[in-house]
Amino acid sequence: AQKVTQAQTEISVVEKEDVTLDCVYETRDTTYYLFWYKQPPSGELVFLIRRNSFDEQNEISGRYSWNFQKSTSSFNFTITASQVVDSAVYFCALSPGGVAGETSGSRLTFGEGTQLTVNP
Amino acid sequence: DSGVTQTPKHLITATGQRVTLRCSPRSGDLSVYWYQQSLDQGLQFLIQYYNGEERAKGNILERFSAQQFPDLHSELNLSSLELGDSALYFCASSSEGGGETQYFGPGTRLLVL
Repeated sequence: AQKVTQAQTEISVVEKEDVTLDCVYETRDTTYYLFWYKQPPSGELVFLIRRNSFDEQNEISGRYSWNFQKSTSSFNFTITASQVVDSAVYFCALSPGGVAGETSGSRLTFGEGTQLTVNP
Repeated sequence: DSGVTQTPKHLITATGQRVTLRCSPRSGDLSVYWYQQSLDQGLQFLIQYYNGEERAKGNILERFSAQQFPDLHSELNLSSLELGDSALYFCASSSEGGGETQYFGPGTRLLVL
């Protein structure tokens, strides 16, 4: 069974602060994918990043960066110089990949989400 | 805009009723997924279809059913509705079904009174 834990239920920061959202996962699959999604107050789920289990390189996209560490089963997300528009619920998710994903389906298992509030 | 469309956006109905939620995937995507988001259960996978066939089933109640049509659009049918079925229902699509990125529609907010 797959499991994703986002221990931080709510985080509140002041604009321009850096903030890190934690994500810890459990899986027995050797091939799997990790994702982050953003859910702003309007309610839609916006895709941010996808990482496969064989690629542990950190990734940076503008003010966003992701730290994938297989040794600790973590996939943390950092927002640098946060802005009010970053206020949202952020979800970490896990899906099987490879043969498991193709034959048994590639459902996303989501964490509970972290509510980030950036205050001006 | 993800390219996934869902109708209706909002739905208010009474207990015991039946409703149908509709989803059109992104152009070219073969897989469609349904998820339920509620306050107590969080985001839960319900079911996946790939090119018209059921590929995976999650925590979907027997009162719920889904199908994917030849034009790849999908419908989620919810029957004998209960108060606890009130939730945001998302549809997502991906090109195949082996771990590709799932793009989500705007959701259908269902309120059962």
